[in-house]
Amino acid sequence: GAGVSQSPSNKVTEKGKDVELRCDPISGHTALYWYRQSLGQGLEFLIYFQGNSAPDKSGLPSDRFSAERTGGSVSTLTIQRTQQEDSAVYLCASSLSPSGKNTEAFFGQGTRLTVV
Amino acid sequence: AQRVTQPEKLLSVFKGAPVELKCNYSYSGSPELFWYVQYSRQRLQLLLRHISRESIKGFTADLNKGETSFHLKKPFAQEEDSAMYYCALAQHMEYGNKLVFGAGTILRVKS
Repeated sequence: GAGVSQSPSNKVTEKGKDVELRCDPISGHTALYWYRQSLGQGLEFLIYFQGNSAPDKSGLPSDRFSAERTGGSVSTLTIQRTQQEDSAVYLCASSLSPSGKNTEAFFGQGTRLTVV
Repeated sequence: AQRVTQPEKLLSVFKGAPVELKCNYSYSGSPELFWYVQYSRQRLQLLLRHISRESIKGFTADLNKGETSFHLKKPFAQEEDSAMYYCALAQHMEYGNKLVFGAGTILRVKS
C-alpha cells in the first residue's frame, strides 16, 4: 500500500489559533514518531508511540503540544495557541515492531506549518 | 544519555572529491546506527545501516566502537549527492527502539 501519509501538506494559521496535524502510518507498523524540522535546527524529536505502551513524550517542547494515536494507527499532533516559533515542517514516521534489528523508519512528506 | 553528534552543519566539496560526513554517538549498549538522506523536495529516507555493511550509491559507513563514530564516506562525490544527511541511533527501550537523530549535515557538491 501507500507510504506514510500526512495532512495537510501546508498549513498557515494565525498566532493563537489551534492546529491539528494528521499522520496515517504504514499499515501494520506499530511504532510512530513525530519530529520537527526547522531551518538550522535539524530533526527534533517530539513524541514516540510504540504499540499500546505509554508514549514517550519527552521531546514535546511545551504543554501546548499534545499527540494522540487512536486504535494504534492514525495519529494527530495538536498545537494549541500557536506561536510564531512553532513554524516548521512537522514530520511523521512509522516502523515495524522495532524490537529486533529492523528499525528502519519510513517518513511522510511532512506538514509545513506557518504561523503568522 | 544517548546522543548523536554531527559536528558540521554544512560540508561543501567539489565534484570528484572525497566526502566524509562525521557522526559520533554516545550509547551505553550495543549501538544500531543509520544514515538517512533527504534530497531536495523529497522525503527523508534511509540511506544505509551499519548492520547491513552495505554500500549504497557509493557511500559506506563503518562503525568504530573505540571512537564511537559512524562516519559516512564516499571516494568521489557527485552533484546528485547534494542533500541533507542525518545520522541516527536506535535507542533500545523496554517496548521497542526509539530513533534519535543528529542535527544533520548539508552536503553541497559543486561542479
